[in-house]
Amino acid sequence: EADIYQTPRYLVIGTGKKITLECSQTMGHDKMYWYQQDPGMELHLIHYSYGVNSTEKGDLSSESTVSRIRTEHFPLTLESARPSHTSQYLCASSELTSDYNEQFFGPGTRLTVL
Amino acid sequence: GQNIDQPTEMTATEGAIVQINCTYQTSGFNGLFWYQQHAGEAPTFLSYNVLDGLEEKGRFSSFLSRSKGYSYLLLKELQMKDSASYLCAVLDSNYQLIWGAGTKLIIKP
Repeated sequence: EADIYQTPRYLVIGTGKKITLECSQTMGHDKMYWYQQDPGMELHLIHYSYGVNSTEKGDLSSESTVSRIRTEHFPLTLESARPSHTSQYLCASSELTSDYNEQFFGPGTRLTVL
Repeated sequence: GQNIDQPTEMTATEGAIVQINCTYQTSGFNGLFWYQQHAGEAPTFLSYNVLDGLEEKGRFSSFLSRSKGYSYLLLKELQMKDSASYLCAVLDSNYQLIWGAGTKLIIKP
């Protein structure tokens, strides 16, 4: 079944650690996104990608990096975690060629930095 | 700047009808989405409007007026499972989604 997966679902980590949040999709979509969302707040776009070897920065990109080596895989890396990174991280994907641009979301990773 | 406004919270009674409004000011417009998000879960797609008028899908309907920068989501025959946040999002001129903060809908028996 076509789906979008994120691991880990929950992560508690100490300040200064390097972490990578994984996202994979079997939807066959070219476009992928990373969002950050605090409780009761809007989604903020961190990074997005149009396809393999394409990465673009969103509003909150300065403290993280992404890579897109394979179509189905779009990991997000925080080089040095800080308490301000505590949040929910959502990965999404959509078709590249559709104006409709409906985004499908993974279940999210809830990150706590102590 | 780009801005999307929705009420923070609304309360309604099971079986009733509720209308959630959304106003937007964005750089360009290529469509408006409504998503439902249950607490602690990911958003799921509800509706998409790109032309003025009403789109009906079962108990949910969505309306758009591009000249007024306004949309609403209408939920009929409310059920307890409809308790969730409802997110309005606009696709701007760069085909990026601009998200509102969401409206938390509380359904009471």
